[in-house]
Amino acid sequence: GAGVSQSPRYKVTKRGQDVALRCDPISGHVSLYWYRQALGQGPEFLTYFNYEAQQDKSGLPNDRFSAERPEGSISTLTIQRTEQRDSAMYRCASSKGQGAGYEQYFGPGTRLTVT
Amino acid sequence: GQNIDQPTEMTATEGAIVQINCTYQTSGFNGLFWYQQHAGEAPTFLSYNVLDGLEEKGRFSSFLSRSKGYSYLLLKELQMKDSASYLCAVKGTGGFKTIFGAGTRLFVKA
Repeated sequence: GAGVSQSPRYKVTKRGQDVALRCDPISGHVSLYWYRQALGQGPEFLTYFNYEAQQDKSGLPNDRFSAERPEGSISTLTIQRTEQRDSAMYRCASSKGQGAGYEQYFGPGTRLTVT
Repeated sequence: GQNIDQPTEMTATEGAIVQINCTYQTSGFNGLFWYQQHAGEAPTFLSYNVLDGLEEKGRFSSFLSRSKGYSYLLLKELQMKDSASYLCAVKGTGGFKTIFGAGTRLFVKA
């Protein structure tokens, strides 16, 4: 594929609602990362998948956050019972391999606003 | 704990050279990355260091000293389009989790 895509690009939701954010990685990329990025800050690691296996979810803030990648391609980050503090840019990135030297390709992000 | 420090902002003149420093303290080390991020856009890869020394790629070079927990990104022949944030990122043990610094906002003036 052309690049990493994410949808929706913008999401406004009311406090207490659930949201699902989608990431479509570059075709053939086995590794997929989710980050949260506040304005003026670097990306904050949330979770990592190798194929369909979620190998690290240590960055998920609490149990309202979950992610899946059932077929090793598209991934969904779900936030349940959203709170205003969840408002942020959520970015997905993919890389060709699992090894240390593989660069990450970032998607355009989903801007989530919780009102 | 894990910590990556970079200067918040730097200003340089078009055509000049600028060095952006990064110091890190992380649990394990599996390589250091530099990414460029223009305002409102996604980060894009610039360089990767895993061994000590200098890696050169066109106008950009990156240096690593693992014993000092230190890296720098060197940008030569600055252009206005180099105005962006530069993110230092370290991959920890296991090669999965990547920790990013807050980024250095570089302003290039004419």
